[in-house]
This record gives sequence, structure tokens and C-alpha cells, in this order.
Amino acid sequence: KAGVTQTPRYLIKTRGQQVTLSCSPISGHRSVSWYQQTPGQGLQFLFEYFSETQRNKGNFPGRFSGRQFSNSRSEMNVSTLELGDSALYLCASSLDSGPDTQYFGPGTRLTVL
Amino acid sequence: AQSVSQHNHHVILSEAASLELGCNYSYGGTVNLFWYVQYPGQHLQLLLKYFSGDPLVKGIKGFEAEFIKSKFSFNLRKPSVQWSDTAEYFCAVTSGSGNTGKLIFGQGTTLQVKP
Repeated sequence: KAGVTQTPRYLIKTRGQQVTLSCSPISGHRSVSWYQQTPGQGLQFLFEYFSETQRNKGNFPGRFSGRQFSNSRSEMNVSTLELGDSALYLCASSLDSGPDTQYFGPGTRLTVL
Repeated sequence: AQSVSQHNHHVILSEAASLELGCNYSYGGTVNLFWYVQYPGQHLQLLLKYFSGDPLVKGIKGFEAEFIKSKFSFNLRKPSVQWSDTAEYFCAVTSGSGNTGKLIFGQGTTLQVKP
């Protein structure tokens, strides 16, 4: 089975712009979660989607949003980019059948100038 | 709120040395525990996990971890490390026995193994 894929792998944006990142989960996985990884804050949970609905949300401002499509693919959007949004954004998917394991993609490296 | 604490931020070992990385979590209910590894330039990979049952769990590449409920700990061990174990290690937890889509991670431990 193919793993979790994320596109694009690298992005450079300027402050004030917006960005959309994409994630394709492992085939058959219905839950998709997003995380932000930075050297200072480590890995932080952004949100989780299941059946096109946001099921869990982390402690991030409303500039961070996401959605999930009927084929379980997910996108996350960051509006009005700030320098502090520079990070590695990771997507993970799971089957969602009780306690489950999340499988991570390679991430999208976002640099905000 | 849940939190995960990894005591060692940077560990340097020589090959063949034994490894133990500490992990403590704060949550009083049912927990699911994970150790993930991030090799240089690679994505996060699962090393091992604990959901229930035998508190001593074995993972890939000779790693094991022990869940001690009374100590809220899930320490990672390996009897003899190799240079290829150089990586960043993350302890993580989810709560409950159902939906586990929200992983809470520790700050990570960077392991450097000298040949």
C-alpha cells in the first residue's frame, strides 16, 4: 500500500499570503490529523478530520483551517501568514477502528519570509 | 490538559551501549502510548505502541518499552545501540479507548550514537 502523501513538499511564501497544503491518506484510512513541527514548540496537534467533519481541534488560531473530502483526502489552509508559521506540517492517517496507530507523511516544509 | 514529558533532550552514546529514554505523561484515565522515531531526512515512523495487555511491548529494530501505570511512565529501551539508531525519538499519548486522532507528543530526544 502506498503511504501517506503530502503535496507540495516545500513552499516559500511571504507574510500576509495564504497557503493550502494537501494530504492523501493511506487507502482505506478514514481519519486524517494534522500537526505542526517546529524546533521550539515540537510537534503540536492542529486538528483531525473524520467523515468530512472536524472531530478534534488543537489550540491554534482561526487562521488555521482544514477540510476533508469524501475520498478522505484532506487539505489545510493557513491565511494571513506570519513568520512564526514557518514549520514542517505533518499529516497522519489512521483506520479509526478503536485505539489506532497514526501513520505519518513526509510533511510540507513551509517557509514564510 | 494532557501533557507528555521526555526527560532527556539530547543523548550521546557509543555503539553497543544500552539506551533508556524516559517518558512520563499526565492523564488519569485510559491511555494509548506510542514511541515514534524520526531518522535524519525521513518522516516519523512508529517504533512501538501500547494499547492494553502485557505492559512490556516490543517494537521494531530491537526496541522495547515498559508501561508502568503507577508511575505514568512509558520508557523506551534498547540493550545495544547501533550508529544507525541516530535519530530523534518522540513519546506520544492519546486518551480513551475510542477515537485516537489526537496525539500529544513529548518534546523529543535527540540520540547521537558514535561509531
